[in-house]
Amino acid sequence: RKEVEQDPGPFNVPEGATVAFNCTYSNSASQSFFWYRQDCRKEPKLLMSVYSSGNEDGRFTAQLNRASQYISLLIRDSKLSDSATYLCVVNSETGGFKTIFGAGTRLFVKA
Amino acid sequence: DVKVTQSSRYLVKRTGEKVFLECVQDMDHENMFWYRQDPGLGLRLIYFSYDVKMKEKGDIPEGYSVSREKKERFSLILESASTNQTSMYLCASSLPDDNQPQHFGDGTRLSIL
Repeated sequence: RKEVEQDPGPFNVPEGATVAFNCTYSNSASQSFFWYRQDCRKEPKLLMSVYSSGNEDGRFTAQLNRASQYISLLIRDSKLSDSATYLCVVNSETGGFKTIFGAGTRLFVKA
Repeated sequence: DVKVTQSSRYLVKRTGEKVFLECVQDMDHENMFWYRQDPGLGLRLIYFSYDVKMKEKGDIPEGYSVSREKKERFSLILESASTNQTSMYLCASSLPDDNQPQHFGDGTRLSIL
């Protein structure tokens, strides 16, 4: 089992739709969580951190469920510019500092 | 804003050459990382460093070495380039706390012929 797993997609949604991605992690000692966005042939860029109580940034909402060991990203009112790959990232400090990147979920938003 | 700068966006080298990829960050971050990213394989950690002159192997260190002589600069060295090292190379930096995210440079697309 991979340490961080994401549905690779692609998710194809129309503009204005709401779309949600899940990401599961295997290490229960994981301590911090992030969502990154990566455009084609570009570097990953931090989208948002994920806090235990859940957090929102405009149209984006991130949730953490420690009991079930997953995080989610919800995008409301999708825009064409949201088309990208979304990477789930997990930090843990078990046996040393470790950051694990998910393989990413591809999103296409169409007009 | 954090700025992580990689020396080249595109680089073409020949098999057997020694290749240097440079990365500089301007935010006084202790941690620096080198990854490669290949289609279908995601980001894979090559080496990381949590302090000057300190280095740790990542998941795929074979064929690579690193140098961190100054806090702001982390160099990746391909000792004798091979065609299977053709890839996108990404440098990142972060503060030392585990709740801190990594910030990436633009990446270097390296082709080994």
